[in-house]
Amino acid sequence: EIVLTQSPDTLSLSPGERATLSCRASQSVGSHLAWYQQKAGQAPRLLMYDVSNRATAIPARFSGSGSGTDFTLAISSLEPEDFAVYYCQHRADWPRTFGQGTKLEIK
Amino acid sequence: EVQLVESGGGLVQPGGSLRLSCAVAGFTFSNYEMNWVRQAPGKGLEWVAHISGSGNTIYYVDSVKGRFTISRDNARNSLYLQMNSLRADDTALYYCVRGRGRISMFGMTTETPDAFDIWGQGTMITVSS
Repeated sequence: EIVLTQSPDTLSLSPGERATLSCRASQSVGSHLAWYQQKAGQAPRLLMYDVSNRATAIPARFSGSGSGTDFTLAISSLEPEDFAVYYCQHRADWPRTFGQGTKLEIK
Repeated sequence: EVQLVESGGGLVQPGGSLRLSCAVAGFTFSNYEMNWVRQAPGKGLEWVAHISGSGNTIYYVDSVKGRFTISRDNARNSLYLQMNSLRADDTALYYCVRGRGRISMFGMTTETPDAFDIWGQGTMITVSS
């Protein structure tokens, strides 16, 4: 099973700042990595797939990078609605697994 | 509008059974892989089971193998999860989630992204005596 480890667990930033979230895989997942956003009381929403492809209606301030075992989700200038929990997830093998999540909170 | 609506959740005793359903609308169900993903209270996401569009290919997370069965009825646009021998650690919100799809246009078939692109609102399962 591929283990995904996200860092940090919590990130405290202010609106307008840049956010950088990391996801490390226990073995290579190639480019088969997605990111999801989950707001309190809501279902997760797909943000990025295959590392750097934005899902439908995802704003351009979200970007993804990386390959192999190290990946980054960046949010260029935080909007109030971006404060949420973010999960990475691979599709390189079965079982699909998620990272433990990074909580992005308002400083 | 694309919609996934789960039902069937509730309180069940350890060792008991439940059957979850997911009613789908707004897309050609049989063209899409489907999944169940769960989230224990206050915890992260855990993929549980996958089924191909035809129903011929199925995968499970190890912790539910032999206890849970995923199935689908393409004629009824419905996804199911039969859950037997339930344990306390199965307590979670269970999401019905759309996966990769195959779309035919102008004689060509393309695939949609292999990601969990549409999620239902979930149905809660509580396993407790």
